[in-house]
Amino acid sequence: KQEVTQIPAALSVPEGENLVLNCSFTDSAIYNLQWFRQDPGKGLTSLLLIQSSQREQTSGRLNASLDKSSGRSTLYIAASQPGDSATYLCAAQGGADGLTFGKGTHLIIQP
Amino acid sequence: DTAVSQTPKYLVTQMGNDKSIKCEQNLGHDTMYWYKQDSKKFLKIMFSYNNKELIINETVPNRFSPKSPDKAHLNLHINSLELGDSAVYFCASSQDAGGGASGELFFGEGSRLTVL
Repeated sequence: KQEVTQIPAALSVPEGENLVLNCSFTDSAIYNLQWFRQDPGKGLTSLLLIQSSQREQTSGRLNASLDKSSGRSTLYIAASQPGDSATYLCAAQGGADGLTFGKGTHLIIQP
Repeated sequence: DTAVSQTPKYLVTQMGNDKSIKCEQNLGHDTMYWYKQDSKKFLKIMFSYNNKELIINETVPNRFSPKSPDKAHLNLHINSLELGDSAVYFCASSQDAGGGASGELFFGEGSRLTVL
């Protein structure tokens, strides 16, 4: 049974810093891995989807990498802004289990 | 134009009641899902459904039942509500990517259920 772990659980950094959020998963037989953002009281917004055959995906200041063999993914946020403050969730998709989510990293960017 | 919409956004009810949450997607996706987010913000899949197959997470009580009148709708019915059912329920949809994989998931805004 897939388990997804995100480290750190919470992170607070000054505006402008580059930062890395970590995600690990126990079963490497995944179809894809997705990163989401959740703002308080809101639904999830998809940020990046990395297929199992890919190593990374980029969107603007966000870059996500995937190392299936080691069961790890990272989300890199460049030049962080206060508007980046949110909870970031990674989710691994494999078989009939659908998406298995981590518990998220609560990110605060200090102005 | 909201891609995935859920109603109601808030629902407060008494234990023992039966309630429904509706979900509609206008993305033309093949598959729809229900997820439960508990008080610790942990998201867990409850159901996934396309026109071929309903997959139920085995930990979901049979008081919960999804009903899909058509491809664009997946409603969640809950019978005999219990205190532990209080949570935020999210609907989502995706397009099949083939080979059992799904594409990007799009989520609704969530429905906060409070059972008193």
